[in-house]
Amino acid sequence: GQNIDQPTEMTATEGAIVQINCTYQTSGFNGLFWYQQHAGEAPTFLSYNVLDGLEEKGRFSSFLSRSKGYSYLLLKELQMKDSASYLCAVDNYGQNFVFGPGTRLSVLP
Amino acid sequence: GAGVSQSPSNKVTEKGKDVELRCDPISGHTALYWYRQRLGQGLEFLIYFQGNSAPDKSGLPSDRFSAERTGESVSTLTIQRTQQEDSAVYLCASSLAWGAEATDTQYFGPGTRLTVL
Repeated sequence: GQNIDQPTEMTATEGAIVQINCTYQTSGFNGLFWYQQHAGEAPTFLSYNVLDGLEEKGRFSSFLSRSKGYSYLLLKELQMKDSASYLCAVDNYGQNFVFGPGTRLSVLP
Repeated sequence: GAGVSQSPSNKVTEKGKDVELRCDPISGHTALYWYRQRLGQGLEFLIYFQGNSAPDKSGLPSDRFSAERTGESVSTLTIQRTQQEDSAVYLCASSLAWGAEATDTQYFGPGTRLTVL
């Protein structure tokens, strides 16, 4: 079966660093995506990993280990506007995208 | 257009009525996806179109749900005999291609909020 796990909720302080983990078990793998979704809005693309390692993009970085079925999204210098849900999604090669349940991040002043 | 558009943005209907939701993908995007998101929950895959291939309907929850796509353009999601449990936001996404690394990136429309009374 297909399964993606993420923590349901996380809380962090403005200016801090937070790591959101994602573990997956899918029948295929052609890449892993992270999306940000603010309440009441559509998801927006953050990052894509297909090879092992760290991809850095400004304050956001994403890491992938294919052998461990594991990824994380790292957010640095947190801002209030980073309060949102963060969705991990696997491109299930040849089939469809499988989304995790999302992690609701609250950034406190 | 610049992005994925969906219409209507909001739809309120009575139980038992049929509804039709529309999605206009980004021009040139061959892949189109429909998802459902219930309040406070994650995305639930419904159906996927890729070019002229037969659609992947594996996520459709019942035979009341159907979707069509004309070529590589507009798609409509139809829900017949709506039930209260169908109340959700229906999101459409498109991507440039499928199975080609970062071109799989999905761009989402704003969604249609469906409320079944």
